Amino acid sequence: IQMTQSPSSLSASVGDRVTITCRASQSIGTSLNWYQQTPGRAPRLLIYTTSNLQTGVPSRFSGSGSGTDFTLTISSLQLEDLATYYCQQTYSSIRSFGQGTKLEIK
Amino acid sequence: EVQLVESGGGPVKPGGSLRLSCEASGFTLSSYTMNWVRQAPGKGLEWISSISSTSSYIYYADSMKGRFTISRDNAKNSLYLQINSLRAEDTAVYYCATLVGGVWGQGTLVTVSS
Repeated sequence: IQMTQSPSSLSASVGDRVTITCRASQSIGTSLNWYQQTPGRAPRLLIYTTSNLQTGVPSRFSGSGSGTDFTLTISSLQLEDLATYYCQQTYSSIRSFGQGTKLEIK
Repeated sequence: EVQLVESGGGPVKPGGSLRLSCEASGFTLSSYTMNWVRQAPGKGLEWISSISSTSSYIYYADSMKGRFTISRDNAKNSLYLQINSLRAEDTAVYYCATLVGGVWGQGTLVTVSS
């Protein structure tokens, strides 16, 4: 299953609402996770099964979607959200990640 | 503290082999399907392989079949990845992770170069 994220990069200001999209090459139900990775660090699970917030993740992060189209939304961008974001499908036993979306702060 | 610690990375010549290890602490590895994920310098995440809790089910990314072998020893709370016939394009940070539950190691760097 191929996972395609858009955009590949984006620049936004503190306080902006930011949306990242992930599209699967076939229907995956709601079997989608979102990760955040800051430079030099391991990925951090943000959202699992499309819309469930991992413990400790700020409530400004949310996820939605089903089937082939999914979104990660940051309701009010903060400086610490500077990172690269990845989606990953868990529908198939052969897991696959999106190519990543690099988020820069203006 | 729940954590995974990888080891076994380092410099290796093309054609060589490495065995990466991942040791769990603060939780029981045997309860989880475990995964290896890698990240080449400046690139995205690439899922390599997974192994079920009792080793009954093992899966590999198509591009990893043949040279990569995942295994585990629940008695030692450890996960392994054997990589043979290493190539320059295998240069990456290799992570072990539960995926479910979101526990990741800090990664171990493998550098393949003559």
